[in-house]
Amino acid sequence: GAVVSQHPSRVICKSGTSVKIECRSLDFQATTMFWYRQFPKQSLMLMATSNEGSKATYEQGVEKDKFLINHASLTLSTLTVTSAHPEDSSFYICSAYGTLSYNEQFFGPGTRLTVL
Amino acid sequence: AQSVAQPEDQVNVAEGNPLTVKCTYSVSGNPYLFWYVQYPNRGLQFLLKYITGDNLVKGSYGFEAEFNKSQTSFHLKKPSALVSDSALYFCAVRDNDYKLSFGAGTTVTVRA
Repeated sequence: GAVVSQHPSRVICKSGTSVKIECRSLDFQATTMFWYRQFPKQSLMLMATSNEGSKATYEQGVEKDKFLINHASLTLSTLTVTSAHPEDSSFYICSAYGTLSYNEQFFGPGTRLTVL
Repeated sequence: AQSVAQPEDQVNVAEGNPLTVKCTYSVSGNPYLFWYVQYPNRGLQFLLKYITGDNLVKGSYGFEAEFNKSQTSFHLKKPSALVSDSALYFCAVRDNDYKLSFGAGTTVTVRA
């Protein structure tokens, strides 16, 4: 149990386009999902907290108009990188917790975004 | 604010030898501590957690960690390392909003 998927696993896009990344909890209801960003060989940086049916809470320094987060259901959260630029290239990871365990976050496999 | 520190960027050990990855924490109140492992281009895999109870926590893949309140440490250990344990390891602490703060990570290399 406790599987979190992300789609796509890799995406390459042109500068100025928007990219949507999906995060799904496959076998439990995720009341809360988190979005992280990770640069090569660095730690995870929390970008935002996403609660089902409400607006996401962004960490300081994260542009909410650039990184749009929608948590439309208890099993799906999406991160849209709007007007992507090369500096947005990174590894994006989501995590979720909810009905399966409130003591543990379950992580998705990550999405590698490359903006040309 | 809650935080963890991993003082070593890299740890190198020979296969079959004990492996220790260090982590110290700074929290107000009771600590909720976690260890995760990450393989290249993959998400994080949960290894173990300390919420309360026994100071020695046993986790996945033969790993264990010892919670030491007086030294504010939560070191990850494995008695006999495998080459397949080579990966990036993260210590993390959870706050009351369930947010995790991660250490900088420690790259473990186990040589055959």
